[in-house]
Amino acid sequence: QKEVEQNSGPLSVPEGAIASLNCTYSDRGSQSFFWYRQYSGKSPELIMSIYSNGDKEDGRFTAQLNKASQYVSLLIRDSQPSDSATYLCAVNLEGGGNKLTFGTGTQLKVEL
Amino acid sequence: DTGVSQNPRHKITKRGQNVTFRCDPISEHNRLYWYRQTLGQGPEFLTYFQNEAQLEKSRLLSDRFSAERPKGSFSTLEIQRTEQGDSAMYLCASSFTGGAGYGYTFGSGTRLTVV
Repeated sequence: QKEVEQNSGPLSVPEGAIASLNCTYSDRGSQSFFWYRQYSGKSPELIMSIYSNGDKEDGRFTAQLNKASQYVSLLIRDSQPSDSATYLCAVNLEGGGNKLTFGTGTQLKVEL
Repeated sequence: DTGVSQNPRHKITKRGQNVTFRCDPISEHNRLYWYRQTLGQGPEFLTYFQNEAQLEKSRLLSDRFSAERPKGSFSTLEIQRTEQGDSAMYLCASSFTGGAGYGYTFGSGTRLTVV
């Protein structure tokens, strides 16, 4: 089992719709969770962090965390073509020391 | 503060040559990380420093790879006797002392092509 798992996609949504991106992780005691956006050929950019169970909203983005289910998700409301990118889930795993472990990323395509 | 800076942006080298990359982190950050990313994959951890001390190194990291951060500021990553499998984007990131719990800021990366 991979330590941080994501569906590679692509996930296609129409412009204006809600995009839902999901991530599961292996270590139940993990405490810090992040979503990065990566445009093709560019480096990852931090867009959301979440540390507690529940929802955290920032503009059109909402991160959701369920530690009991070892599940973290990212919702993008009113999706725009500029949101088309790969979204990487990153976790500071309990047994991972002081580093982030990344999933393989989910490619999101927002269609006109 | 201009963020995390990496040089060069691109490097093409012949198999068997040595290459060195440089990373200048955000000045307030004392943790510095190196990752490698290949097409379709997430970033893979290589090593990290707190100040000048190298605190962790991936078990997957070949002994052809070495990293330094001599004065706790910039860092270099050297790959000796490059192989075609070393072709990847090499990413540097930095963070505060709280480290991974605060998330990273990445540089633009160095894309290595071994021919």
